[in-house]
Amino acid sequence: DAGITQSPRYKITETGRQVTLMCHQTWSHSYMFWYRQDLGHGLRLIYYSAAADITDKGEVPDGYVVSRSKTENFPLTLESATRSQTSVYFCASGKGYNEQFFGPGTRLTVL
Amino acid sequence: QQQVKQSPQSLIVQKGGISIINCAYENTAFDYFPWYQQFPGKGPALLIAIRPDVSEKKEGRFTISFNKSAKQFSLHIMDSQPGDSATYFCAASGSNDYKLSFGAGTTVTVRA
Repeated sequence: DAGITQSPRYKITETGRQVTLMCHQTWSHSYMFWYRQDLGHGLRLIYYSAAADITDKGEVPDGYVVSRSKTENFPLTLESATRSQTSVYFCASGKGYNEQFFGPGTRLTVL
Repeated sequence: QQQVKQSPQSLIVQKGGISIINCAYENTAFDYFPWYQQFPGKGPALLIAIRPDVSEKKEGRFTISFNKSAKQFSLHIMDSQPGDSATYFCAASGSNDYKLSFGAGTTVTVRA
């Protein structure tokens, strides 16, 4: 099915572990984004990508790593998870600036 | 520092009433102002958007009012329905920047 998917939808991990959140879109959109959503902060941009092999830091990049070897995939890795990274993570894609299409989110809990 | 300030944090309105959410920005380079709607357990979805060349845009029961001189814009939900209960985010971006800056969100509850 066309769209944007995220996996896993729910994840519980422990402090210090590495976690990778997956994002896949079938629209061939050039632009992809990772946000975290926390109460009182809205959506904060972690990393974004304008095309394959082009990534850049957003507002809150510390502790996260991204890669984009293929246009359709944009994984987000927490290298050593901390409790402060407990959040809901949204991936989004877009074909230019303006409208972004969001995935269903991944709820991550770091114990 | 949040580039877009949104208020109120939450509001409760009776069915048939008007919900009003306000946003303010400082960056004069912003020229695209969308509103996103998010239901529990779902990702945000574009609801309506406006550019500074118009002062108002209406789509069904949803209206954006834009005041360029005050650097403010607002969302009005007319004849609010229980199905409108959701979190609403305002956002902004500039023509030379494809990133969106989001407000903190407003949770709207419509009581039947």
